[in-house]
Amino acid sequence: SQTIHQWPATLVQPVGSPLSLECTVEGTSNPNLYWYRQAAGRGLQLLFYSIGIDQISSEVPQNLSASRPQDRQFILSSKKLLLSDSGFYLCAWSLRGEAFFGQGTRLTVV
Amino acid sequence: KNQVEQSPQSLIILEGKNCTLQCNYTVSPFSNLRWYKQDTGRGPVSLTIMTFSENTKSNGRYTATLDADTKQSSLHITASQLSDSASYICVVSIPNAGNMLTFGGGTRLMVKP
Repeated sequence: SQTIHQWPATLVQPVGSPLSLECTVEGTSNPNLYWYRQAAGRGLQLLFYSIGIDQISSEVPQNLSASRPQDRQFILSSKKLLLSDSGFYLCAWSLRGEAFFGQGTRLTVV
Repeated sequence: KNQVEQSPQSLIILEGKNCTLQCNYTVSPFSNLRWYKQDTGRGPVSLTIMTFSENTKSNGRYTATLDADTKQSSLHITASQLSDSASYICVVSIPNAGNMLTFGGGTRLMVKP
């Protein structure tokens, strides 16, 4: 069956520290992969999407980057976190109309 | 640009009452339209999925409708419960963009006793 794993569930990081959030998908091949951010009380904002290995599109300019080193692995990174990077980060995948979300990572930058 | 607009942004209702959430989209054509429920701090969970040829789909107390002519969908919640308090998100899948997902901004529903 198709599943999606996202970790960690919660993370507290100091300003200026690096970030790496990982998302892996099982039970499917060549899915579209997405990273979303949700600020408190706000809707989902698309950060990055990928249609294949090493094919990343950025939706908004920001302090973050994404990579897809393998077909079913999607990584969200930052070299130096800002306070404004705090939020709830969701990974998702879609393929031929099916779509699933990870459980999210609550990131607090202090 | 393909867009999905939801209304209202937020809604407060009393327990036991019904409510209807709206989703208007400009995406055309689309593969399917989904409604998700997102509890605070959790990932969205799918409630209903409809293709462009379907008019209605039910899942317990949740009923989604789709009017492909007016490009509108609605999610009707019957006999609301406190556990219905969550964000409800409308998502459209675009076939000629690799089934890319386009999200609405969501409606935050609060059910009060």
